[in-house]
Amino acid sequence: SQQGEEDPQALSIQEGENATMNCSYKTSINNLQWYRQNSGRGLVHLILIRSNEREKHSGRLRVTLDTSKKSSSLLITASRAADTASYFCATVPRSGSARQLTFGSGTQLTVLP
Amino acid sequence: DGGITQSPKYLFRKEGQNVTLSCEQNLNHDAMYWYRQDPGQGLRLIYYSQIVNDFQKGDIAEGYSVSREKKESFPLTVTSAQKNPTAFYLCASSLDSPVVNQPQHFGDGTRLSIL
Repeated sequence: SQQGEEDPQALSIQEGENATMNCSYKTSINNLQWYRQNSGRGLVHLILIRSNEREKHSGRLRVTLDTSKKSSSLLITASRAADTASYFCATVPRSGSARQLTFGSGTQLTVLP
Repeated sequence: DGGITQSPKYLFRKEGQNVTLSCEQNLNHDAMYWYRQDPGQGLRLIYYSQIVNDFQKGDIAEGYSVSREKKESFPLTVTSAQKNPTAFYLCASSLDSPVVNQPQHFGDGTRLSIL
């Protein structure tokens, strides 16, 4: 079953603009991770945020986590054409017998030059 | 350079045939994973292994089998029982379980198609 769901499914912006992607999940989590996937390639880990953290930064990336709303957002500032990719959130549940990553269906980001 | 190598990049399967996808890592990671990705979808977990000689079924294990005889290798066999095998298969590894806040490192995938 899908735990995380990204919104929007697709996003198209101009180079230099900011891109915001959202992720909602259903059950309490241990941590939430964001990954990027270029077309036809494997996933690349971007940021991991723990359930007791509210915000993390890495370069032009900013991730927020609101556990009361069961949601997270990924902000990419000053976007570049090279940021064009699919972005996935993945969650690890707080409890259960098989506590593995569950991925959402992703947001396809297109950055136009 | 450390990383995960998947081979082959493209694979074609005939009806009734078993095929094996290779995954090798030199990151000295204990945990390894196999995911399936269908077009426009997220990843679904097929099998995972937290340690050598041990593996567990994921969400969609039917029609697949794995082995973990060496720390660096985690091959996936797609058996003839898997009736819809056409997909992009991704192998990943991590230092430890995702429960202890470990990110996963991915290979570049194998695209499997039916002839």
